Amino acid sequence: EAQVTQNPRYLITVTGKKLTVTCSQNMNHEYMSWYRQDPGLGLRQIYYSMNVEVTDKGDVPEGYKVSRKEKRNFPLILESPSPNQTSLYFCASSLSGRISEAFFGQGTRLTVV
Amino acid sequence: DAKTTQPPSMDCAEGRAANLPCNHSTISGNEYVYWYRQIHSQGPQYIIHGLKNNETNEMASLIITEDRKSSTLILPHATLRDTAVYYCIVRANSNTGNQFYFGTGTSLTVIP
Repeated sequence: EAQVTQNPRYLITVTGKKLTVTCSQNMNHEYMSWYRQDPGLGLRQIYYSMNVEVTDKGDVPEGYKVSRKEKRNFPLILESPSPNQTSLYFCASSLSGRISEAFFGQGTRLTVV
Repeated sequence: DAKTTQPPSMDCAEGRAANLPCNHSTISGNEYVYWYRQIHSQGPQYIIHGLKNNETNEMASLIITEDRKSSTLILPHATLRDTAVYYCIVRANSNTGNQFYFGTGTSLTVIP
């Protein structure tokens, strides 16, 4: 089954404790991206990757890092989480950056206390 | 990418057609109109997309005006499971840069 898998689904952590949210897709997609969703603000893109070893900032990259060492995985790294990063996070993938359907993971709800 | 304007909320009776409007008055010639929906904090789900011709698939129909400045997503027979937030997105056919700007969408409630 074609899917984008995020882990964990729920996470509560403390300020400053590094964490990684994993994202994996099984569709051999080139394009992957991370979004955060906050009430009243819709989905905002954090980072995206056009292909392996190619990443770029989205609209709200501050406080986040990503890596794309292999095509299927695109982890989101919070080196020093802060309470303003409490949010619902989604990973997405699509065949390419051109016109194509994007598939989204089920989301990771992160709370930073 | 062009911005879109959608009403924040709409209601629709179960079994009736739901017509969700979207304005994209600054759309340019190479930009497509996409629709996604999000059911209660799940990951957004692709519905349909089009450039200038009307499109139909098993989920919905997309009607784009001739000047392409607005479009309507039609769910022909809305069910309770269609209750969701619907996002209209205008996206360039480009292999560079960020492509998806979701905005805040329209919250559709299907009423029994």
